[in-house]
Amino acid sequence: KAGVTQTPRYLIKTRGQQVTLSCSPISGHRSVSWYQQTPGQGLQFLFEYFSETQRNKGNFPGRFSGRQFSNSRSEMNVSTLELGDSALYLCASSLGGFTEAFFGQGTRLTVV
Amino acid sequence: GIQVEQSPPDLILQEGANSTLRCNFSDSVNNLQWFHQNPWGQLINLFYIPSGTKQNGRLSATTVATERYSLLYISSSQTTDSGVYFCAVPYSGGGADGLTFGKGTHLIIQP
Repeated sequence: KAGVTQTPRYLIKTRGQQVTLSCSPISGHRSVSWYQQTPGQGLQFLFEYFSETQRNKGNFPGRFSGRQFSNSRSEMNVSTLELGDSALYLCASSLGGFTEAFFGQGTRLTVV
Repeated sequence: GIQVEQSPPDLILQEGANSTLRCNFSDSVNNLQWFHQNPWGQLINLFYIPSGTKQNGRLSATTVATERYSLLYISSSQTTDSGVYFCAVPYSGGGADGLTFGKGTHLIIQP
């Protein structure tokens, strides 16, 4: 069956712009979580959605937001981009309830 | 929040050698996963192992939940085993999902 799909794979944006990233989970998975990976901070949890509700949130500013649709697809939005937002953004899906999470290939965002 | 520490941070071995990677966590958990990050950045699932021992080919993992650590064993290393290995546990309780990661072990297997 198809894995977790993230689009786009690569993005270049200018400081001050906003960006939207997309994540399509494995069929049947209702939990989608997002992560930011940078060389300095490593892999950090952003937020988690289950059945269109944000259940969990990491320690990131309000410029980072997300949503989940009724088909479990999720989007992540970053407004007023800063140079420090350059990172690999990963999403994962699972059945929920602390079951095994599977990751997409990531979106590599560069802010110039 | 829960703290996850991985050791060693870097490991350089010759092809054919065995290795043990360790993951310590600061609180009880009901989920632990090991991942291998490939050169393109994707996290590849190795083990979902809240407790006990599992084996998959040359790789095996053991989690001792009561002592708050997990070990990943790689036997007869191959150059393709190179990369970064992460362990991850739940970010918080309360029924919501999401993972906290260690900083990883960077493994280099030399031919």
